[in-house]
Amino acid sequence: GAVVSQHPSWVICKSGTSVKIECRSLDFQATTMFWYRQFPKQSLMLMATSNEGSKATYEQGVEKDKFLINHASLTLSTLTVTSAHPEDSSFYICSANELDSYGYTFGSGTRLTVV
Amino acid sequence: AQSVTQLGSHVSVSEGALVLLRCNYSSSVPPYLFWYVQYPNQGLQLLLKYTTGATLVKGINGFEAEFKKSETSFHLTKPSAHMSDAAEYFCAVSVRPNDMRFGAGTRLTVKP
Repeated sequence: GAVVSQHPSWVICKSGTSVKIECRSLDFQATTMFWYRQFPKQSLMLMATSNEGSKATYEQGVEKDKFLINHASLTLSTLTVTSAHPEDSSFYICSANELDSYGYTFGSGTRLTVV
Repeated sequence: AQSVTQLGSHVSVSEGALVLLRCNYSSSVPPYLFWYVQYPNQGLQLLLKYTTGATLVKGINGFEAEFKKSETSFHLTKPSAHMSDAAEYFCAVSVRPNDMRFGAGTRLTVKP
């Protein structure tokens, strides 16, 4: 079945630094990838949708200059948290979708802690 | 726009008891419906999905769900709970590609 690999699984960084999270579709071409943020004991909050080769579409209230998304190929999307602060600490999850498909495949998530 | 409502943010059952997690949807067109499971510090794993055809859908780990159009429901069941079933469960609906809406989630606790 479809597999999405997300790295790193967890990361600790200092305030003011940037962190990059990778999301790869291993056995299919992901024309669309999604990035979510999940707060403790809550549902997924969609941050942005990215299509290969074009700019990401951000949800209202998500700072696109802080959360940089790049989807340069059909198998890789990256989320860079720039100038991270403790309030950016969260669980980030990516998902990927094949063209015209209705089901999402999720990555294993990244636990970001900013100290 | 389509949406799902999960009734009960927390469900607790005893090991061996029936598991019933409720999901109702709202959609103006025939929906595709999904159940995902999330274990702590992990992503979401697809349990099962309904697209078209048979309304009783069987998934992994002994779970199944029945699409009931008249009740706009897609409840998830398992005859006998295992300790390993303790997790967060999300119902989701989609009516077009790249547009999936998730419920708030239901945390399942299994007591020994």
